[in-house]
Amino acid sequence: DTAVSQTPKYLVTQMGNDKSIKCEQNLGHDTMYWYKQDSKKFLKIMFSYNNKELIINETVPNRFSPKSPDKAHLNLHINSLELGDSAVYFCASSQGPRITYEQYFGPGTRLTVT
Amino acid sequence: GENVEQHPSTLSVQEGDSAVIKCTYSDSASNYFPWYKQELGKRPQLIIDIRSNVGEKKDQRIAVTLNKTAKHFSLHITETQPEDSAVYFCAASPSGNTPLVFGKGTRLSVIA
Repeated sequence: DTAVSQTPKYLVTQMGNDKSIKCEQNLGHDTMYWYKQDSKKFLKIMFSYNNKELIINETVPNRFSPKSPDKAHLNLHINSLELGDSAVYFCASSQGPRITYEQYFGPGTRLTVT
Repeated sequence: GENVEQHPSTLSVQEGDSAVIKCTYSDSASNYFPWYKQELGKRPQLIIDIRSNVGEKKDQRIAVTLNKTAKHFSLHITETQPEDSAVYFCAASPSGNTPLVFGKGTRLSVIA
């Protein structure tokens, strides 16, 4: 009965490769997010989708492409991986797009680019 | 855009003592201020939040205060316990769909 799940938990890959991270929530929430947490623990939003529609797109290289096939899933595809992409990526969901709704985070995906 | 500064970056307290973490924000339009706790290797979880129409909010050993004039808000943990050891993040946002901006986190260590 995991609320927000992500796969894989760990991802080790080489520079230049393309990889995807999957996220699913079973809370019935309308809004989902991707956050990046760097080695210094700084947590920064990347994208937000509400009912499959992109509503927040922060300054992120266009090598990162989110996709939401339905409101319970938000996947993140990364092309041409670079060393600086190494981080923990957290998916989150909330009841709606209003920022006052609690955000429920997934367990994170630790991406290491070598 | 919003900028959130958080201090201190690390904090060690003896078990039973109080801990205070402070944040300042830049956007006077911000009116929602949550605090998230992230234990080692775990996901961030909301522990308390406050809105701009309230000056203080308490939940058992945790309290948050907000000073809108000075644009700062603080997390207070009383009677700290070892399980309070974690990284704590403050965040701020204007209402609506504007994304949360997080502080850089405070690593709290409670020494038994």
